[in-house]
Amino acid sequence: DAGVTQSPTHLIKTRGQQVTLRCSPKSGHDTVSWYQQALGQGPQFIFQYYEEEERQRGNFPDRFSGHQFPNYSSELNVNALLLGDSALYLCASSLVQGGEAFFGQGTRLTVV
Amino acid sequence: KQEVTQIPAALSVPEGENLVLNCSFTDSAIYNLQWFRQDPGKGLTSLLLIQSSQREQTSGRLNASLDKSSGRSTLYIAASQPGDSATYLCASYSGNTPLVFGKGTRLSVIA
Repeated sequence: DAGVTQSPTHLIKTRGQQVTLRCSPKSGHDTVSWYQQALGQGPQFIFQYYEEEERQRGNFPDRFSGHQFPNYSSELNVNALLLGDSALYLCASSLVQGGEAFFGQGTRLTVV
Repeated sequence: KQEVTQIPAALSVPEGENLVLNCSFTDSAIYNLQWFRQDPGKGLTSLLLIQSSQREQTSGRLNASLDKSSGRSTLYIAASQPGDSATYLCASYSGNTPLVFGKGTRLSVIA
């Protein structure tokens, strides 16, 4: 079992651009959540997907959107990038809502 | 709204010492609490999950306790090693809400 995998590992974007981050959940997990972690802070919840629907959403603007595919993999899209969007983006999967969460290695996004 | 606090923010100990990391939460109506380890620039590794009905969980040199009534959890690390150096995060789950994280405790174990 490869666990939760995220791609890419790192990327650099320019202000105003759009970015797509990808996540494959742990085998058998159908619930995928995305978090943003700024340096020195704990992860902040962006949204959660289950059965291809957004089930919950944190306090993030509409520039942040997502998608879940039939195979449970997920994408996080961020439009009109701001310098403040620079962070580590983490994907987590769980077998059930509230079950043990497993995280990927993260995608480090730098906006210049 | 659940708030999770971790004290201290940073801790430095000599190798071999036993240590305790603290986590407090404001809403005691939690379903579970999870402890994670994070190495610099990396993702989170799950260490222990404590269900609300449990008082403690153990894995190797790690022991986590949960006291819902006081809103506290502790992570005990026995016989610390330099390889234990990392940031330790706790997160609570309260049902129909996402995980709420503390800011973490940065641990340095000095050889």
